[in-house]
Amino acid sequence: AQSVTQLDSQVPVFEEAPVELRCNYSSSVSVYLFWYVQYPNQGLQLLLKYLSGSTLVESINGFEAEFNKSQTSFHLRKPSVHISDTAEYFCAVSDNYGGSQGNLIFGKGTKLSVKP
Amino acid sequence: DAGITQSPRHKVTETGTPVTLRCHQTENHRYMYWYRQDPGHGLRLIHYSYGVKDTDKGEVSDGYSVSRSKTEDFLLTLESATSSQTSVYFCAISESLGQGHEQYFGPGTRLTVT
Repeated sequence: AQSVTQLDSQVPVFEEAPVELRCNYSSSVSVYLFWYVQYPNQGLQLLLKYLSGSTLVESINGFEAEFNKSQTSFHLRKPSVHISDTAEYFCAVSDNYGGSQGNLIFGKGTKLSVKP
Repeated sequence: DAGITQSPRHKVTETGTPVTLRCHQTENHRYMYWYRQDPGHGLRLIHYSYGVKDTDKGEVSDGYSVSRSKTEDFLLTLESATSSQTSVYFCAISESLGQGHEQYFGPGTRLTVT
C-alpha cells in the first residue's frame, strides 16, 4: 500500500528565511504528487502538483517542489517566506491507475509557522 | 473557488445520537469524498462516491455510512455517534479518479460528540 511521510510535524522559521518541507512516499508504480495548503479554519487548497515532465514544479506564490524518483521524495521549498505563508501543508500521492488505487493518500501534515 | 458547501458547519451532539452531514456541489463533478481530519493523522478517507448510488469504503469507514441520490449531494451518516468520531469532516470533489485530477475541498464541518 502507498504511504506518505512528512518528516517534520512543525517547522518554525523567521520571515524572509528559506524553508524546506520534506515529503517522502512509498510506491512501486508511477505516481502523481501533490502539495495542499490549509490556512487556519479553512479547507485544503491545491498548492502545486507533479504529473509528468519537468521534475521541478512551481506555484504562483513562490513555492516549488522537486520530484526525485530515486529518492522517492517531493520536498517543498520557498526561498523567502512571508507571515502569510503560516499554514499547514499536506503532501499527497495517488497512482495513475483507475479504481480505488487512484485515491489520494495524505501525509500527516507539517505546520509552518513564520515569525516576524 | 469550487462550489462546495457543507452543512452544518459546526455541530455538538451526544453519544449514541444519529448525525448526518451534508455536502453539496454545483460543479457537476462525478467523484465525491468524505475525509476526517484529526491532529497527528492528517486526512483519512472515510467513503467516496463515483456516481449516483455508487459508493465505496475508504480507510476509516467503520461507524459511517453514505448515500448519494443526486449528483450534487453526498451525505455522511453516523448511525450512533461516539466520542472517537469527534473530528473535522471535509468533503471533496473531483472530475475523475486518479490520473492527476485535483480534489477540491469544502470548508469543513466541526463535529463534537459529548
